[in-house]
Order: sequence, then C-alpha cells, then structure tokens
Amino acid sequence: QSVLTQPPSVSGAPGQRITISCTGSSSNIGADYDVHWYQQLPGTAPKLLIYGDDNRPSGVPDRFSGSKSGTSASLAITGLQADDEADYYCQSSDSSLSGAKIFGTGTRVTVL
Amino acid sequence: QVQLVESGGGLVKPGGSLRLSCAASGFIFSDYYMSWIRQVPGKGLEWLSYISSSSSYTHYADSVKGRFTISRDNAKNSLYLQIHSLRAEDTAIYYCARDAMGPTNRPSDYWGQGTLVTVSS
Repeated sequence: QSVLTQPPSVSGAPGQRITISCTGSSSNIGADYDVHWYQQLPGTAPKLLIYGDDNRPSGVPDRFSGSKSGTSASLAITGLQADDEADYYCQSSDSSLSGAKIFGTGTRVTVL
Repeated sequence: QVQLVESGGGLVKPGGSLRLSCAASGFIFSDYYMSWIRQVPGKGLEWLSYISSSSSYTHYADSVKGRFTISRDNAKNSLYLQIHSLRAEDTAIYYCARDAMGPTNRPSDYWGQGTLVTVSS
C-alpha cells in the first residue's frame, strides 16, 4: 500500500553527507501533510528521527535534518558515523486513503 | 520514562484469531492517540490502525479493515488489537506506538519492542 518511494540503499564514507529521498504525490506530501522520518537500527524498534518535515525530537543530533518541497521530502545526514547504519523510513498521510498513515519503502544506509 | 510493552503474539493457525495487548506506562495514557504498526521480518513498515485518546475515533489501513479491531482501556493503560481470520501474510512483528500530540498525521514518538505473530499450520 506504500505510495512513498525511497531508494533501497544509500551508502557513504564516514564523515560524508548523504541524502535520502522520499517521493510521494499530490495526495500525500504534495497535499502538505507533514513528513516524519524514523531510524531503525538492526534488531530494534523504529525511533522517531524527524517530525513535521524538519524538526528534531530532543536528543537527536543536529547531523540529521529534514526538508520538503513539492511532492518530495529528504533526510540528510552529515558527518556520517558507523552507528548511523540503519534502515530509514519516511511517513506521511494520504488523502486518497481517507487520511490513513503511510510509510515509505525504506532505505538501508551503509557506512563504507 | 515512557514504556510500551506488547504481548499476545505467538504461533497461530490460518483462520484463527488473536488479541495483542500493549501495556503503557510513564505518561498519561488517556491523553494520547495510539497506533499499531507491523513489519514482516526483513521488510518495511506498514501502518495498521490508530485510535483516538477517548476511543471515539478509529482509523484502519484498507488492507486490514474488517479483520482488525483496535481498542483501548484507559483505566488499565492498555491498547489492544484484535485480529480475526489470520492469514500467512499477517506473519509479522506487531508494534504499538504512542502518537505525539497534534492536529493530524501525528508522528509515532515512542514504540514498543514488538511482538511476533506467526501464522502457520
């Protein structure tokens, strides 16, 4: 049911900056629904990383940032670290699904 | 601190039913919307349902509408998910999550550790 498309994988060297895209449509991100991002470390439950497009919960390093434009959103990680290796998911809502929540397809980040 | 602990998972035969529970602590449970999300091992996240703080409103993913029922007991600080007519494709880790306060599309700011449901004969 996912209508938010993410690249399956993104990789980078320690210290580098990477971005993860989340592509939606006019019924979800383009309808100005907030986009949230979650980090899922191996073997653990997801953790809220970014909420309301570009806000960090307390305790999340400022190396993580979010943005949104049109029908897409992005998560940027600067100063990539080994413990950033995880799966990342975007999440929004969709008016064509009566406002149901939807998750992106997920992106595996690998630190080279 | 906020804690969410799911229980009730296990091995179930196709066509069977199951009730998952989520015990909440460390916050005023009755103030928050709550959600259920599942994840097939090795696959992505799928939002299933949420319920308003007073149980007056529920919403379901189309994929589970009619088979899944979300409910809560604020007196017991507990969230539930009743699942009927279980299918092999319902095999997944089921997470309960607290939805942050806000108008719409609330992010899930705390998650439980999940409970595994396996549907197999």
